[in-house]
Amino acid sequence: QVRLQESGPGLVKPSQTLSLTCSVSRGSVSSGDYYWNWIRQPAGQGLEWIGRISTTGDTNYNPSLKSRVTISLDTSKNQFSLKVNSMTAADTAVYYCVRGLLPNPTFDSWGQGTLVIVSS
Amino acid sequence: DIQMTQSPSSLSASVGDRVIITCRASQSITTYLNWYQQKLGQAPKLLIHAASTLQSGVPSRFSGSGSGTDFTLTITSLQPDDFATYYCQQSYNTPYTFGHGTKLEIK
Repeated sequence: QVRLQESGPGLVKPSQTLSLTCSVSRGSVSSGDYYWNWIRQPAGQGLEWIGRISTTGDTNYNPSLKSRVTISLDTSKNQFSLKVNSMTAADTAVYYCVRGLLPNPTFDSWGQGTLVIVSS
Repeated sequence: DIQMTQSPSSLSASVGDRVIITCRASQSITTYLNWYQQKLGQAPKLLIHAASTLQSGVPSRFSGSGSGTDFTLTITSLQPDDFATYYCQQSYNTPYTFGHGTKLEIK
């Protein structure tokens, strides 16, 4: 059973860049019929898909965040990462890294989530 | 973006009841519809994919149906462990979008 674990700062100042990493175990980020996704959830609210990266490094982003988001793959470490720049209070949320099973991604494995607070 | 509308937003029911949650897409998504269960403080868990296929390990009291724009999640004989928030999600195209959730509470 694949396992995903998010890591990164819990507190980010406004206007700064958020960097999160997802470490994947019992599976490979560079093989299989998967996309690797980031999804976030503000406290007490619903789920928002941020973007995804394929096993070959192709990316798709949510247009609502596209200009501020970068997702990358590090196959040597079996990780994928999220960067969001120009953070504001509206970006405060639990961030999840998630495996999407193709062909039309089903989010079948989730990390436990990491809370990111944007505050000075 | 495809908008997903769930109803009701909250629901009170008793152990043993049968409940139905509906999800409507703003355009046809054929059967590219998934259902998730989220308990407080936990990540969502996949219950049903492709509108009606039960994920491995999920109890058979959960079932899904529908195609096009209208979908349902049915839980027969509610168990104490089923009280949670349920989300539908379309995987027809990006950006993938979720419903706002249905909170199932104990009556």
